[in-house]
Amino acid sequence: AQSVAQPEDQVNVAEGNPLTVKCTYSVSGNPYLFWYVQYPNRGLQFLLKYITGDNLVKGSYGFEAEFNKSQTSFHLKKPSALVSDSALYFCAVSETDSWGKLQFGAGTQVVVTP
Amino acid sequence: GAVVSQHPSRVICKSGTSVKIECRSLDFQATTMFWYRQFPKQSLMLMATSNEGSKATYEQGVEKDKFLINHASLTLSTLTVTSAHPEDSSFYICSASSRGFLIDGYTFGSGTRLTVV
Repeated sequence: AQSVAQPEDQVNVAEGNPLTVKCTYSVSGNPYLFWYVQYPNRGLQFLLKYITGDNLVKGSYGFEAEFNKSQTSFHLKKPSALVSDSALYFCAVSETDSWGKLQFGAGTQVVVTP
Repeated sequence: GAVVSQHPSRVICKSGTSVKIECRSLDFQATTMFWYRQFPKQSLMLMATSNEGSKATYEQGVEKDKFLINHASLTLSTLTVTSAHPEDSSFYICSASSRGFLIDGYTFGSGTRLTVV
């Protein structure tokens, strides 16, 4: 069975500084990996996904993530954080090579201070 | 892009009553619908997976008689919380997939905040 780990409950960063949100995963085969962002009392907004191809994935709102198979990681990054990036971020993995159910990480609260 | 409309966004009901939550895919056919529950500041817990025209598959520990899921068409899935109790108060989110058709893979509804009093 697949699993996802987000080791940090919260990440604090000053506006303008680089932002990194960590994610590691475990699947039996090739993963489909996703990052979502959630604002209070809202659904999930898609940021980016990795299915195959280039390990560096560029997504919405200036975010990007790098798929690292050897380290089974898919860290989310943004070169210059904005206060509006403050939200709850979820990493997710789907069953190998499919569009089946997603396994979510515990979530990381990002706080960007002015 | 693909949109899943989820209603209601908020509902307050009395203990013992039933509440229905709807999710509609507006511009695509959702072959699979996932229903999640989320507690405050926690992750999403998958409750069940439903395919159009089939019975839902429930995750371990989820009472299927309490959380009734219907996916009668490719554009509509409903979750009914029967005989609701305060412990059922939570944030419920649906998600639709369409076997790789969707650019994003999965499209999420905006969620329903259920409060049982």
